[in-house]
Amino acid sequence: GQNIDQPTEMTATEGAIVQINCTYQTSGFNGLFWYQQHAGEAPTFLSYNVLDGLEEKGRFSSFLSRSKGYSYLLLKELQMKDSASYLCAVSRGSNDYKLSFGAGTTVTVRA
Amino acid sequence: DAGITQSPRHKVTETGTPVTLRCHQTENHRYMYWYRQDPGHGLRLIHYSYGVKDTDKGEVSDGYSVSRSKTEDFLLTLESATSSQTSVYFCAISESLAGNTGELFFGEGSRLTVL
Repeated sequence: GQNIDQPTEMTATEGAIVQINCTYQTSGFNGLFWYQQHAGEAPTFLSYNVLDGLEEKGRFSSFLSRSKGYSYLLLKELQMKDSASYLCAVSRGSNDYKLSFGAGTTVTVRA
Repeated sequence: DAGITQSPRHKVTETGTPVTLRCHQTENHRYMYWYRQDPGHGLRLIHYSYGVKDTDKGEVSDGYSVSRSKTEDFLLTLESATSSQTSVYFCAISESLAGNTGELFFGEGSRLTVL
């Protein structure tokens, strides 16, 4: 089975930094994805990590440690529009494009 | 934005009735998926397809069937809807070209309420 854990909720202040952790235990690993989902909308792709280390993309960065089964998504210079749910997802195999998702972390940005 | 449309976007039905949700893509992507999203559970895979007439079960497939007769269309059918199938259903697509990450592109979702 797949086990992907992330905190349920986080709150932060506009302009601050928030780190969303994700731990996983899956049968096979071929990459970890982060998606953003605003309330009532579809998830949209944020980042992908397949090798250990940090991937930076503007205000968002994602980190992966395969040996620890751990990833985090770092959101810097928070803006009100970053209030959303952030979904951690794991791909299990090179020919298996199915993603297994965590339950999501709802981030609320306060003024 | 990936060309994915789901229909209907909203539906209210009664227990025991059949329901079909449609996903249509204009991207010619090989893989198509149906997920359901419920509070506390996140997105859970119902069924997926890796080509025309090629489908397989996901982790929560009981009570659901799918069909893919054309590359662009993937249908999800609830043969006899139950209240436990009240959910938001998302269709997604992905491609398998070399070097592609397998990123999923999602439709806008279909909200189904079973009374």
